[in-house]
Amino acid sequence: GAVVSQHPSWVICKSGTSVKIECRSLDFQATTMFWYRQFPKQSLMLMATSNEGSKATYEQGVEKDKFLINHASLTLSTLTVTSAHPEDSSFYICSARGLGQETQYFGPGTRLLVL
Amino acid sequence: EDQVTQSPEALRLQEGESSSLNCSYTVSGLRGLFWYRQDPGKGPEFLFTLYSAGEEKEKERLKATLTKKESFLHITAPKPEDSATYLCAVLNAGNNRKLIWGLGTSLGVNP
Repeated sequence: GAVVSQHPSWVICKSGTSVKIECRSLDFQATTMFWYRQFPKQSLMLMATSNEGSKATYEQGVEKDKFLINHASLTLSTLTVTSAHPEDSSFYICSARGLGQETQYFGPGTRLLVL
Repeated sequence: EDQVTQSPEALRLQEGESSSLNCSYTVSGLRGLFWYRQDPGKGPEFLFTLYSAGEEKEKERLKATLTKKESFLHITAPKPEDSATYLCAVLNAGNNRKLIWGLGTSLGVNP
């Protein structure tokens, strides 16, 4: 149980284009989803927290107009990187947490490369 | 300030050589301590959640324990497939409920 999927696992795009990443909880209802970014040899950096049906809460320093998050259902959240630039290249990971639960379950991650 | 420190930073063991990883924490009210395993290029895989001092959990060759200031992840007779980075995170009892992460221990197990 507690399986989270992400799609795509790999994406390469040109500078200036937008990229959408999907995060799905496959076998439980995720009332809260989280989006992280991870740089090589570093720990996870929380970007934003979203509750189903509500606007996302962004961490300090994360541009909400650049990283658009939508959590429209209890099983799906999306992260859209708008007008991507090479510095946005990174490993993006989502996690999901069920109602009343403390444990976050993570997706397999999405590697983004912006050329 | 809430903080999580993991040690050692890296560890290399021979197959079958048991050892322990440490996660020390300072947090204003512990709501939970979490252990994850992360393989290169993948998201963290959940291992254990511990809620109170004295609690222990086991899964195959892994056993996690918790005191009021630290947690240990004991690895008994490790195999090469146990090679990974092991991450520790704590959840504080405050309103923001964000995970506070350690930097991880990179474990390598030689056959």
